Amino acid sequence: EAGVVQSPRYKIIEKKQPVAFWCNPISGHNTLYWYRQNLGQGPELLIRYENEEAVDDSQLPKDRFSAERLKGVDSTLKIQPAELGDSAVYLCASSLTPAAYEQYFGPGTRLTVT
Amino acid sequence: QKEVEQDPGPLSVPEGAIVSLNCTYSNSAFQYFMWYRQYSRKGPELLMYTYSSGNKEDGRFTAQVDKSSKYISLFIRDSQPSDSATYLCAIGGGDSSYKLIFGSGTRLLVRP
Repeated sequence: EAGVVQSPRYKIIEKKQPVAFWCNPISGHNTLYWYRQNLGQGPELLIRYENEEAVDDSQLPKDRFSAERLKGVDSTLKIQPAELGDSAVYLCASSLTPAAYEQYFGPGTRLTVT
Repeated sequence: QKEVEQDPGPLSVPEGAIVSLNCTYSNSAFQYFMWYRQYSRKGPELLMYTYSSGNKEDGRFTAQVDKSSKYISLFIRDSQPSDSATYLCAIGGGDSSYKLIFGSGTRLLVRP
């Protein structure tokens, strides 16, 4: 069974530029999560989807971050414009259902904003 | 006070040692206690989890929950250099948010 796929793996951009991250969850997993992980810290939830619906986006900085999950499968997380403080690893995870606390993570996208 | 606290380490042990990794938490309503392993430049990998209280064993790994003390532990027996990684605890189920709260991780180094 294929795991969670993310691309790109690494991205270096200048501040004020836009950037997008893509995630393909494990097949059959209805719940998808985007996390941000700063150096030396644990992942912090940005947004959670149940199928196509964003059911928890309380931690998403909505002035510059947006996300979508069309057709309830793949998801894209966008930052526009990027700031220096956005440098982090962006992780995507999925689970069968929201009540299934077993979340499976992708390899992450390491973003560096210069 | 953070909801989940974890000693960042690093913890350095010789090969074959028994390793004890720990987290404390503040919300007594939490029910799910997860342990993830994260190698450098990789995503977290779910190792094991327990629901409510008690112990769970999987090979060389044992997870323990002490709800009275709000303290969880992961023990690794016969540690191997390949166990060198950051270990993250994650706790959830305290409300209807289905959210996992992660510790900051403990870095473990197993010396050959």
